[in-house]
Formats: sequence, structure tokens, C-alpha cells
Amino acid sequence: IAGITQAPTSQILAAGRRMTLRCTQDMRHNAMYWYRQDLGLGLRLIHYSNTAGTTGKGEVPDGYSVSRANTDDFPLTLASAVPSQTSVYFCASSATGYGGELFFGEGSRLTVL
Amino acid sequence: KNQVEQSPQSLIILEGKNCTLQCNYTVSPFSNLRWYKQDTGRGPVSLTIMTFSENTKSNGRYTATLDADTKQSSLHITASQLSDSASYICVVSDAGGYQKVTFGIGTKLQVIP
Repeated sequence: IAGITQAPTSQILAAGRRMTLRCTQDMRHNAMYWYRQDLGLGLRLIHYSNTAGTTGKGEVPDGYSVSRANTDDFPLTLASAVPSQTSVYFCASSATGYGGELFFGEGSRLTVL
Repeated sequence: KNQVEQSPQSLIILEGKNCTLQCNYTVSPFSNLRWYKQDTGRGPVSLTIMTFSENTKSNGRYTATLDADTKQSSLHITASQLSDSASYICVVSDAGGYQKVTFGIGTKLQVIP
């Protein structure tokens, strides 16, 4: 089934550890996004990429980095995890970029202790 | 600052009943408004899109309305089913920049037998 694949589904890690959340899409969408979703808050944009080779900062980028080496993959890295990064992370893509329909992955639940 | 407010925060209804969810926004300039359905533990999925010139749009038992003058939208669910239990998120895109998409916190709907 076409769509967004995220890995891992869930992870518990110690504070200070490095962690990479993987995201792959097979829809050939140009734009990709990483969001975090916390209880009582709406989805917040961490980083985005409007095409392979380019990335941009969203609303809450601190402590996170991304890369977009090709169209399909958009990994999110936490260089040194902190407890405030405990959240559910969603990767998304859109065909038309800004304002287009977002297609989301199933999420990665991350707990930092 | 762009804002999207949804009400109620949560709602419990009996199977077969109708309900209406509300979304008020202050996003400007307005581009489009989407309603997403998010099942527990899953990623959001788009239900409808409303542009400035559209007042009503239906998707099966879901009907969205938009009043661009008062900056309000509603999502009406007819003859609710147990599978309608989910969070419904209002998402508004502005016309001013690439990452300018504002999410509401969502309305959590529970349909009980």
C-alpha cells in the first residue's frame, strides 16, 4: 500500500542519547514534513523540505535536525535527547507543497527518560 | 498570530445520532481549510478541503461548511457510527508562506452504542 512508512513505531531512550527517526514515502511527493503532537497542543511543525536537497525550520526546530538526500527519505535526528522531546512524531508529505493535502505516517512514539 | 480554535474539546454521542464540530480561525490571508480525522494511535487522514469560494462540501456522512466572512467552519456528522470515534482536527492554510499551516487541537469524539 502506497504511503508513508515511519520507524520505529515506539522507542524508549535515555537522555543524552542520539536517535534517528526514519521516514520513507513511495508517492514521489516533493514536500515532506516532521511534526510533533503533544497532549493539549496541536500538531507543531519541526522541519520541512519542499524538495530533495533543501530543508527548512518549522515552529519548534531546536534540538532536531533533518536531511533530504533524495525524494523518498526524510530522517529526523535528535542529537542529544532530552525529556521534553518525549512526544509522538509524525512524518507527512504532500504532492503540491504548501497548502496541499498532507499524507501522514502512523507516528513514532518516543519516550526520553 | 494565526490561531485555530475548535469546540467542543470532547464530545460523547449515541450511535445513530448527529453531531456538529466547530472551528474558528484567525488565519489571514486565507488559502484553504481542511478537516482531518485521526483515529487513536494513527496518523491524521484528510476528510474535506474548503476554499474561499466554497460554502459546503460533503464526503459521505461528513459535511463541512465554511463562512469566510465570520472565519468559521463546521463539520457535521450524520447518523454516527462507532467507527466515527476519533479526533477531528481543523487545519487552516494561509497564503503568505510555505510552512504557514495552523492546526487546531482537535475535538475528541466518542460514539457509544
